[in-house]
Amino acid sequence: GAGVSQSPSNKVTEKGKDVELRCDPISGHTALYWYRQSLGQGLEFLIYFQGNSAPDKSGLPSDRFSAERTGGSVSTLTIQRTQQEDSAVYLCASSLGLAETQYFGPGTRLLVL
Amino acid sequence: AQSVAQPEDQVNVAEGNPLTVKCTYSVSGNPYLFWYVQYPNRGLQFLLKYITGDNLVKGSYGFEAEFNKSQTSFHLKKPSALVSDSALYFCAVRDRGGYNKLIFGAGTRLAVHP
Repeated sequence: GAGVSQSPSNKVTEKGKDVELRCDPISGHTALYWYRQSLGQGLEFLIYFQGNSAPDKSGLPSDRFSAERTGGSVSTLTIQRTQQEDSAVYLCASSLGLAETQYFGPGTRLLVL
Repeated sequence: AQSVAQPEDQVNVAEGNPLTVKCTYSVSGNPYLFWYVQYPNRGLQFLLKYITGDNLVKGSYGFEAEFNKSQTSFHLKKPSALVSDSALYFCAVRDRGGYNKLIFGAGTRLAVHP
């Protein structure tokens, strides 16, 4: 079946602009995660959604970052007033539920000029 | 705090030779451990996981990993390396503190030479 999909695959933006990154999880997966992969910080957790529970936002680096998940499926990660240090690959993953294997999408490569 | 260490930035091995990519962890309680592989410009692909049971876990593409509780290690192994195995490998542990987030090691680049 279809895996996790993310769009766009690449995004170049200017410092100070807002960006939206989209994730479509595997159908039927109730849990959705965002991670960031950067040269300096490696792979780091950003936010997690599970069903109708309140999301775990503990990994968001600043209040410029936010995410939502509509209808328990598609998720959007929004970065406001982008900074150059936001340049990274943003990875989305989904799983059937708690304690299940996470499957990752191809990522969105963000470059802030 | 839970953490994962991959002590080698890069591992070089000749094609046909066995390979080992090392991983050690620090967790409270019993760990859930994972290995993922990343090819250039691709996302992470799941290789295998240890939850409970046999210490030797078999996964995709002929890879296996051995859970060693006394040494807090979960090394990735393959009996005979292929050039196509060249990639970036990540070890991860599941955070048991509440939600299901993964804590990753820094990654190890595997280079298999013909």
